[in-house]
Amino acid sequence: DVKVTQSSRYLVKRTGEKVFLECVQDMDHENMFWYRQDPGLGLRLIYFSYDVKMKEKGDIPEGYSVSREKKERFSLILESASTNQTSMYLCASSLFQGAEQFFGPGTRLTVL
Amino acid sequence: AQSVTQLGSHVSVSEGALVLLRCNYSSSVPPYLFWYVQYPNQGLQLLLKYTSAATLVKGINGFEAEFKKSETSFHLTKPSAHMSDAAEYFCAVSYSVDKLVFGAGTILRVKS
Repeated sequence: DVKVTQSSRYLVKRTGEKVFLECVQDMDHENMFWYRQDPGLGLRLIYFSYDVKMKEKGDIPEGYSVSREKKERFSLILESASTNQTSMYLCASSLFQGAEQFFGPGTRLTVL
Repeated sequence: AQSVTQLGSHVSVSEGALVLLRCNYSSSVPPYLFWYVQYPNQGLQLLLKYTSAATLVKGINGFEAEFKKSETSFHLTKPSAHMSDAAEYFCAVSYSVDKLVFGAGTILRVKS
């Protein structure tokens, strides 16, 4: 069974902290994605990666960075967390262009 | 910019009634269209996808969607709602490099 896992389901951090969200997929997928989900706004793409060490900005990259050192792992980094980054973060992966994306269970991040 | 519009942020139906969730996309025909479902505290799960092979697409759990180019629509239907269908539903389109653009989501409530 295909699987995308995220390191934490719930996370509480303080303003100014550096935050790491980890995502691992076991499907040998080329493409990986980070979204944030907010009520009434749907999912918005933060960053995506189509290969190891490659990354592309999505629609809302400000305040975030990413790292992809291995094919199966894609990390989202909040360099200095702010309260407006309180959200649900979803990781996804896909095999090729146009293929369905498989999602992890999400990390609900609260920044106090 | 490409966009996806889901009409109705909340839809309420009685158990056994028809489910109709509306989705319209902007301008030129996108290569791929998707419907995803999100149950509480879970990630997104693919319901169905359109890839130009057939305009009527059947998905899991009895859902289906019809692609109508003239109306730029991809509405999701199910003949008879079940209590377990209560969830949030997202329409998404893929335009390039496997990026998905999501609608804002529709929360489906099923009344007994």
